[in-house]
Amino acid sequence: DTEVTQTPKHLVMGMTNKKSLKCEQHMGHRAMYWYKQKAKKPPELMFVYSYEKLSINESVPSRFSPECPNSSLLNLHLHALQPEDSALYLCASSQGLAGGSYEQYFGPGTRLTVT
Amino acid sequence: SQKIEQNSEALNIQEGKTATLTCNYTNYSPAYLQWYRQDPGRGPVFLLLIRENEKEKRKERLKVTFDTTLKQSLFHITASQPADSATYLCAGGGNQGGKLIFGQGTELSVKP
Repeated sequence: DTEVTQTPKHLVMGMTNKKSLKCEQHMGHRAMYWYKQKAKKPPELMFVYSYEKLSINESVPSRFSPECPNSSLLNLHLHALQPEDSALYLCASSQGLAGGSYEQYFGPGTRLTVT
Repeated sequence: SQKIEQNSEALNIQEGKTATLTCNYTNYSPAYLQWYRQDPGRGPVFLLLIRENEKEKRKERLKVTFDTTLKQSLFHITASQPADSATYLCAGGGNQGGKLIFGQGTELSVKP
């Protein structure tokens, strides 16, 4: 199984809502990532987890809170978002970090709209 | 700052021709480059990885080169097909714990 799944596919939330994005992989990968992607732009790294520990936080605002409950799951908790946070949120996984020479497997993304 | 640059203009070619996409890097030396394909509204899909000590890699109709003198990678799709139409992303990595720096992507359109 070489699939990364993400739920929900689409999410519309108000600026005062709290919601969570979920990501799952069963490839035995030990590194997992959250990216944000705006239209016609490349993916922008937000967080990296390695062996369930936060490895990289790209100075992401605290209204985004990642969580890695186990090696297969990655969550992104959202609270008090702004309209400019509307984007495609992509989860990815890789075998490890090891200087980053492993390919990343991306999920289909969650299309988030903040109203 | 570290940059990966791709031709932001869309590339339009005729079916059967070879598509060549360019990726240049500045202000750093990636240990490897990865190429991904992304269709609209979908996540990127990994295609090829090439390390700095490799000159060329091939996979079926795909070929990628890495020229550390020119600080450039070229990505070729031979015998292109309309199904190859997508955005192609170049990403560089090195000693940054799995972090990839992505280029803007080049949109390829293959006409029948």
